[in-house]
Amino acid sequence: DAGVTQSPTHLIKTRGQQVTLRCSPKSGHDTVSWYQQALGQGPQFIFQYYEEEERQRGNFPDRFSGHQFPNYSSELNVNALLLGDSALYLCASSLRPTGGEQFFGPGTRLTVL
Amino acid sequence: GEDVEQSLFLSVREGDSSVINCTYTDSSSTYLYWYKQEPGAGLQLLTYIFSNMDMKQDQRLTVLLNKKDKHLSLRIADTQTGDSAIYFCAEIGNNAGNMLTFGGGTRLMVKP
Repeated sequence: DAGVTQSPTHLIKTRGQQVTLRCSPKSGHDTVSWYQQALGQGPQFIFQYYEEEERQRGNFPDRFSGHQFPNYSSELNVNALLLGDSALYLCASSLRPTGGEQFFGPGTRLTVL
Repeated sequence: GEDVEQSLFLSVREGDSSVINCTYTDSSSTYLYWYKQEPGAGLQLLTYIFSNMDMKQDQRLTVLLNKKDKHLSLRIADTQTGDSAIYFCAEIGNNAGNMLTFGGGTRLMVKP
């Protein structure tokens, strides 16, 4: 039973570029949340997708957008990259957006130069 | 907004018990979690507790919840060098859906 998977593992971009990160939830899970973890800090909630719709959003600008596909996998898109977007991006999956177990993937390390 | 606080660092000897503490401000928290993060890795779910419980035990891990003081602790019995990592406390507030609010993490160092 595969857990949460994310791709790519690492990514290097330059300011102003756009990036797409991908996540496949744990088998049987239908809800995907995205978090940003800056170096030395706890993760910060970006947004959550359930039934292919954005259900909740944290305090992130519109440059951060996402999508959920019918197979429950999800993408995080970031436009007009800034140096401050450099972070570990984590995906979490759960069964329904109502608390309980939430499992995280290994993350994508994004470096913006 | 709601806040979750943890001490930055804890050092223990191998074989001792470790206690990692967390305080939170959201009195309507429904679920509280402990995650472990090793260098360069994602978050590993260790355990979680529903807010109507005051204790949960799972092998070497014991979680204690004091709702009155908004205090959560994680006790690791017989701490091993492999337990060295950063431990994050997180909570879900009422009406927060599934959104986790994390503390800044406690770095646990286990000395042989």
